[in-house]
Amino acid sequence: GENVEQHPSTLSVQEGDSAVIKCTYSDSASNYFPWYKQELGKGPQLIIDIRSNVGEKKDQRIAVTLNKTAKHFSLHITETQPEDSAVYFCAASKSGGSYIPTFGRGTSLIVHP
Amino acid sequence: KAGVTQTPRYLIKTRGQQVTLSCSPISGHRSVSWYQQTPGQGLQFLFEYFSETQRNKGNFPGRFSGRQFSNSRSEMNVSTLELGDSALYLCASEPTGATDTQYFGPGTRLTVL
Repeated sequence: GENVEQHPSTLSVQEGDSAVIKCTYSDSASNYFPWYKQELGKGPQLIIDIRSNVGEKKDQRIAVTLNKTAKHFSLHITETQPEDSAVYFCAASKSGGSYIPTFGRGTSLIVHP
Repeated sequence: KAGVTQTPRYLIKTRGQQVTLSCSPISGHRSVSWYQQTPGQGLQFLFEYFSETQRNKGNFPGRFSGRQFSNSRSEMNVSTLELGDSALYLCASEPTGATDTQYFGPGTRLTVL
């Protein structure tokens, strides 16, 4: 089955810095890669996703890059703000009717004001 | 549109008891998935229902079961509770069609004593 490794487990940055979280996956058939943000006491919220036919996607301060050859994808957050502090999860899956995502173990991002 | 709702939000049970958790998906969503989240194992897929049929199942024992009703609302049941079943149980719904974009509810925090 699919295996997703996520690093680092904890990331501490100063407000205004950039943050990068990396994930690797094992199944070359995986083609859908979402990123979720989970705040304390809440469920995960989708913040950005990328499909295997795209190398990069950007949404304001958030971007995701995908390297299919190396089987890794990364989340980039620029100009971090204290409200970005949360746990971030990556996931990988095969798109379609049998959608069973495998999640990374999560990265706790702490943005210091 | 209202988001995914889960009831109850918190639950305390004792070993050997059974529990039923409820999930109401976003209006119009026909797919509902359930996940277990623990500090030790992270986010793990339990099962997915689509149009009242279980479409996918994760690697959990038969004590974990679920169902979906004609209005897409879903319930999951855990029988003969064990201490290790203490977790946050998350429900996610997906728009009709294989978009793979899942929207999570706030979860039910189950504590087994």
